[in-house]
Amino acid sequence: KQEVTQIPAALSVPEGENLVLNCSFTDSAIYNLQWFRQDPGKGLTSLLLIQSSQREQTSGRLNASLDKSSGRSTLYIAASQPGDSATYLCAVNSGGSNYKLTFGKGTLLTVNP
Amino acid sequence: NAGVMQNPRHLVRRRGQEARLRCSPMKGHSHVYWYRQLPEEGLKFMVYLQKENIIDESGMPKERFSAEFPKEGPSILRIQQVVRGDSAAYFCASSPPSPGVGNTIYFGEGSWLTVV
Repeated sequence: KQEVTQIPAALSVPEGENLVLNCSFTDSAIYNLQWFRQDPGKGLTSLLLIQSSQREQTSGRLNASLDKSSGRSTLYIAASQPGDSATYLCAVNSGGSNYKLTFGKGTLLTVNP
Repeated sequence: NAGVMQNPRHLVRRRGQEARLRCSPMKGHSHVYWYRQLPEEGLKFMVYLQKENIIDESGMPKERFSAEFPKEGPSILRIQQVVRGDSAAYFCASSPPSPGVGNTIYFGEGSWLTVV
């Protein structure tokens, strides 16, 4: 059974700092891994999706890496801003479909001005 | 282009009552998925529906929970005889008719159910 763990559970940083969020998963037989952002009381916004054959994906100040063999992914946020404050969720697709995602509990990020 | 629409956004029910959560997929999407986020837990898959068909309900609790996606109208997640443990955020997601493994699904803003 796939399990996804995110560390740390919460992170507080000053504005401008570069930071890394971690995600690990127990079954390396995955199809893809996705990072989402969730604002309080809101839905999920997909940030980056990495296919199992890829090592990383970039979008603006975000960079996500994937090491399937070790069961790890990181989300790197450069030059953090207060607007980046949110919960970041890692989700793994290991079922061969695009809908049955296994989520971590998330990292609550606070960027202080 | 409107996203996935869920209503009500917040619902309070007394123990034993019924809760109905509605989800309208994005325009052009015919596949709907329901996820549940319990307090302090990650989102967990509940059910996958296409129009008039339940494709995968492996994550649905065996009792009191049901889902439908009729030919016309929104998808409905129905919880009968609610208990305190049903208090959670229920998220609906949708995807196009031919979702590929490499494609994301699009989430709504969730319905927060509180059972008192």
